[in-house]
Amino acid sequence: DSGVTQTPKHLITATGQRVTLRCSPRSGDLSVYWYQQSLDQGLQFLIQYYNGEERAKGNILERFSAQQFPDLHSELNLSSLELGDSALYFCASSVAAGQGYEQYFGPGTRLTVT
Amino acid sequence: EDQVTQSPEALRLQEGESSSLNCSYTVSGLRGLFWYRQDPGKGPEFLFTLYSAGEEKEKERLKATLTKKESFLHITAPKPEDSATYLCAVQEQRNRDDKIIFGKGTRLHILP
Repeated sequence: DSGVTQTPKHLITATGQRVTLRCSPRSGDLSVYWYQQSLDQGLQFLIQYYNGEERAKGNILERFSAQQFPDLHSELNLSSLELGDSALYFCASSVAAGQGYEQYFGPGTRLTVT
Repeated sequence: EDQVTQSPEALRLQEGESSSLNCSYTVSGLRGLFWYRQDPGKGPEFLFTLYSAGEEKEKERLKATLTKKESFLHITAPKPEDSATYLCAVQEQRNRDDKIIFGKGTRLHILP
């Protein structure tokens, strides 16, 4: 158990809908990362927050947004969902930012868009 | 374009048969190279961080090494429970960007 929690574990929704994925980092970790994993693309970095502020952006679509709250938990919002958004979404956390800190991953949320 | 390439894509070994997995990378300055293990349907599990060429780290049957252009994950006398996908990832030396680039992984299957 990495100490990172994600809810829900599974989510099934229809095209055009909006969903929110939630992540709680390890105790004491300030940095949160979101990744998307699909069979053909591997693990793709989406976005990073550090102590409540956006720090880095990867291949995140404009239909997706995220935030980190004062208690350091984070939410990833996915809107106008398409079939191609079906994937595993992982959250990871690290103690700080920079300096090659290792990231600890949660169990993931499996999103299925029908 | 920055890239992380892992080889082979898949590897089948007999129990006890040692081998190595390769991760080659091209980034403009390396802040850290990470190895993870991922079981099907689960989140990646952190194994090692390497920071500079010549560095080595060991954990049980696994040993990770780093050169200026690649890293190797050596597996000595593997057991069936070592079967998993092994992921390599690199973090670039940039001012504020902690972007992590993952390779597509090596699927390792150890036969009893």
